[in-house]
Amino acid sequence: NAGVTQTPKFQVLKTGQSMTLQCAQDMNHNSMYWYRQDPGMGLRLIYYSASEGTTDKGEVPNGYNVSRLNKREFSLRLESAAPSQTSVYFCASMVAGNQPQHFGDGTRLSIL
Amino acid sequence: RKEVEQDPGPFNVPEGATVAFNCTYSNSASQSFFWYRQDCRKEPKLLMSVYSSGNEDGRFTAQLNRASQYISLLIRDSKLSDSATYLCVVNRGSGAGSYQLTFGKGTKLSVIP
Repeated sequence: NAGVTQTPKFQVLKTGQSMTLQCAQDMNHNSMYWYRQDPGMGLRLIYYSASEGTTDKGEVPNGYNVSRLNKREFSLRLESAAPSQTSVYFCASMVAGNQPQHFGDGTRLSIL
Repeated sequence: RKEVEQDPGPFNVPEGATVAFNCTYSNSASQSFFWYRQDCRKEPKLLMSVYSSGNEDGRFTAQLNRASQYISLLIRDSKLSDSATYLCVVNRGSGAGSYQLTFGKGTKLSVIP
């Protein structure tokens, strides 16, 4: 099993461009998450989907949108990229509440 | 008070040493507790869950004190491969909170030959 797969692994954008980060899990997990990790800030939750058909804001949702396409896939969209969104983005999944989360290997995004 | 607080380190220890990490959390409704490790430029990986009775996995021992809202991780006989950042993680309680985890900023460990 691949676990949690993120694409792309690296991306460089110009300010104002848009892009979608893709995430898919093959563990039949119900919940999926998007985090960003910046130096000295730790992991911060952007959006999550507790179950298929639902999405909720996390700690830092501004400038992002998400889509839970089906049980396997959860995408993160930057409509108009800004340099402040330069970060490492992690997708994670969780089988159910009160369980640990499993992470993809990240997308390194630079916005110039 | 921050939701999850850890000593950022770094902890520099020789091979074979025993090292302990501590973590405090502010949400008394938290129900699930974990330690993750994160290697440089890699994703966080689950090291172990933490149970109220304490639990051990090989050289690693985790303890939880709900009354003091305190979690610890003990690593015995440190190996070079233990060098990483260790993240203390708690969930945000019951209901909707059970689906959200709060991550500490991590404690960096370097094991020296």
